[in-house]
Amino acid sequence: EDKVVQSPLSLVVHEGDTVTLNCSYEVTNFRSLLWYKQEKKAPTFLFMLTSSGIEKKSGRLSSILDKKELSSILNITATQTGDSAIYLCAVEAFRGGSNYKLTFGKGTLLTVNP
Amino acid sequence: EAGVAQSPRYKIIEKRQSVAFWCNPISGHATLYWYQQILGQGPKLLIQFQNNGVVDDSQLPKDRFSAERLKGVDSTLKIQPAKLEDSAVYLCASSLRQATLGEQFFGPGTRLTVL
Repeated sequence: EDKVVQSPLSLVVHEGDTVTLNCSYEVTNFRSLLWYKQEKKAPTFLFMLTSSGIEKKSGRLSSILDKKELSSILNITATQTGDSAIYLCAVEAFRGGSNYKLTFGKGTLLTVNP
Repeated sequence: EAGVAQSPRYKIIEKRQSVAFWCNPISGHATLYWYQQILGQGPKLLIQFQNNGVVDDSQLPKDRFSAERLKGVDSTLKIQPAKLEDSAVYLCASSLRQATLGEQFFGPGTRLTVL
């Protein structure tokens, strides 16, 4: 069974701090690793990392995939209160035919205090 | 572009009652997913449709849950009868096609409380 583990489960920081969120996985037929931000209800897509694209950056957010260690980190620099959310890591695995499956971790609840 | 629509947004029922959720994916998206997200956990895939066919329903509790996507567009998820442990947010997502490298777009979800 595919497994995705995130750490820490929750984190409280002050505005301006830098945070690093971790995600490790055990899946068969890995295809990609994705990070989502979940505020209120609907997860919104942040990054996708694959074997051909192991580092992504967008503004204050960046993410790296370590295929050797089967893990990824999500960095947020100069945090703002608007970064408060649950950050979900998901791994996409090939299931056969043209089928793929997304397995999510439990998420990291980030709280940024002013 | 309109996003994924879901209704209702909230539902409170008593155990053993029935409930149905509706999802309208983004126009043109062939693949539709239903996820269950229990508080403190990540979303768990319940069922995946490709057009009106089921691709994966391995984690759907088929004794009480059912889903359909008859015309390959909108979909309904039903629970009958509901149990306390079904309390969760039910997320619908869609993607343009199956192999879109994970670019699924999520709806706002339906928060179900079973008393």
